[in-house]
Parts: sequence; C-alpha cells; structure tokens
Amino acid sequence: GIQVEQSPPDLILQEGANSTLRCNFSDSVNNLQWFHQNPWGQLINLFYIPSGTKQNGRLSATTVATERYSLLYISSSQTTDSGVYFCAVKDTGRRALTFGSGTRLQVQP
Amino acid sequence: DGGITQSPKYLFRKEGQNVTLSCEQNLNHDAMYWYRQDPGQGLRLIYYSQIVNDFQKGDIAEGYSVSREKKESFPLTVTSAQKNPTAFYLCASSLGADSPLHFGNGTRLTVT
Repeated sequence: GIQVEQSPPDLILQEGANSTLRCNFSDSVNNLQWFHQNPWGQLINLFYIPSGTKQNGRLSATTVATERYSLLYISSSQTTDSGVYFCAVKDTGRRALTFGSGTRLQVQP
Repeated sequence: DGGITQSPKYLFRKEGQNVTLSCEQNLNHDAMYWYRQDPGQGLRLIYYSQIVNDFQKGDIAEGYSVSREKKESFPLTVTSAQKNPTAFYLCASSLGADSPLHFGNGTRLTVT
C-alpha cells in the first residue's frame, strides 16, 4: 500500500516562530488532507489539498502531486498550535485515507 | 449543530468481554470510518462504509465487527478475539471517499 512519511517527527518552537512540516508519499494520490490533533485527542481537519496551494489565516499548505510531497506552513506560531499534525493521503486504489505517523509540535511561550 | 458523536468518552472492560462503541453523525454523510490510534502513533483504518448496509475491512479488521443499518450510525464492536484492544478509537465521516474527513472526539478503551 501507499507509504506516508512525515518530517520532522518532533519540533519545538518559541512562540512567534515560523515552521514548515513535510509529508512525502510513495504513489500518486487523488486526496490529501492535513489534520491537527490537540493535546486532548481531538482531530481537526485543516486542509483538503490534493494539489495546489491553500491558506487559512496563519496556516497554509502546498501539495506538489507530481513530486509526491506536501508542505504545511505555520507562521507566527502560538501555544495553541501545539499538538500533532497528521498528513493523510488516498490513492485511486483505496476508498479511505492512509495516515502518516505525524509531527509533534510544541510551541513554548 | 452538525457533528459526530462518540460515546462513551472512556470505557473500561475486562479481558474476554465484547464491547460496542457508538458513533452517530448528523452531517448527512454517506461514508463513515473507524480508526484506531495507539500512543505516539498515527491512525490505522479498522473498517469503513461507503453506504448503508455495506462496509469493508480496513488494514486491521481482525477482532472487530461493524454494522451500518442506518446512515447516521456506525457502531464498532471490539470482540474478545482482538489481542490488544486497549487504544484510542476514532470515528469519522465524509460526504464521499474524496471529501474532507471529519472526526468525532474519540473513545478511550482500556481492557484489563
């Protein structure tokens, strides 16, 4: 099945710093989503982005499907950005998303 | 408000007992999913359903069973055959297979 690798696995930032999270995948995809899991376990959908670039406030994402990677940018990070960020992808052979192992982000005041 | 409701939030069971986790959605979504998350790891797919009265095994279906008798409901039963049932279970739904996925708040199951 499709492989999803996220980097870095862990990231510690000072409040106000910017960061870039990366998601590499091993095959062509027709669906790619980014999620944030807060410290209480809630998963929030950040972006549905199989290709192109999207922005939502301080967050933006870019997927280059032909090169099999996606990037999540967090600008001016806040302590509430802490948690785990997951990338999930779906190829045409599956009917459900496959998740990466996540990037654990800690934003310190 | 539309959303996905999972209950209970915490569940404790003795080894050898079957247990059913509830998942209800009022988003009018056709597709529903169950994922399992172990500490410090990503999510793994247990079962999914694209339409009422139809469901498919995911990557780790052994020891689990589901039903989809109503569009709004997709309960998951963890049977005694599941070797390591203690985990965080997340239910999700989407309009279709290629639509944004939305999650419930999860059920933490502990089996001793």
